[in-house]
Amino acid sequence: EPEVTQTPSHQVTQMGQEVILRCVPISNHLYFYWYRQILGQKVEFLVSFYNNEISEKSEIFDDQFSVERPDGSNFTLKIRSTKLEDSAMYFCASSVTGETYNEQFFGPGTRLTVL
Amino acid sequence: GQNIDQPTEMTATEGAIVQINCTYQTSGFNGLFWYQQHAGEAPTFLSYNVLDGLEEKGRFSSFLSRSKGYSYLLLKELQMKDSASYLCAVRGNPSGGYQKVTFGTGTKLQVIP
Repeated sequence: EPEVTQTPSHQVTQMGQEVILRCVPISNHLYFYWYRQILGQKVEFLVSFYNNEISEKSEIFDDQFSVERPDGSNFTLKIRSTKLEDSAMYFCASSVTGETYNEQFFGPGTRLTVL
Repeated sequence: GQNIDQPTEMTATEGAIVQINCTYQTSGFNGLFWYQQHAGEAPTFLSYNVLDGLEEKGRFSSFLSRSKGYSYLLLKELQMKDSASYLCAVRGNPSGGYQKVTFGTGTKLQVIP
């Protein structure tokens, strides 16, 4: 069964460093998403991406963040100059259609720890 | 902005039916999601409602009333594996520009024998 994959599973970085979180969405999906969940807190939507551009984003997704689909398979989230409060689990998701949200499939997540 | 309210915890018995409520306030409403999240795992999509009414999918059903800003998730024939957090999330456009999705804090359901 196709699934969303994410690498790495755990990333440790120093405050102020840049990190790139990688996701491989399901191959025939068209919409891609990033969410984050700080330990013990609620899931937060970051951004959705379609046709090589951002279609929705939250106020969390400021200039520190960027997303990219560098090739036909990967979808990345870049966090510039990481802060301690960026420590969280980051989930990538993908779905087939875009007019309305269809079933979103989540990856297993990348745990980011900023020291 | 967007505001979502759901109970923090619920307990129900294996084989029973449980209803998890969610109330929300938003402008530019454009859909409500329910997700299941087991501890330490990624969320799993359960349902998406954009029109009023009940949508059934196996043991799970989701109801939406847009005029009341209210939804519920109904779980039937509860199984022990249904013990998880159930997340309500609303998609809307509260201040123009980009739409946003806001999650509730989740309802932690414990199924007991």
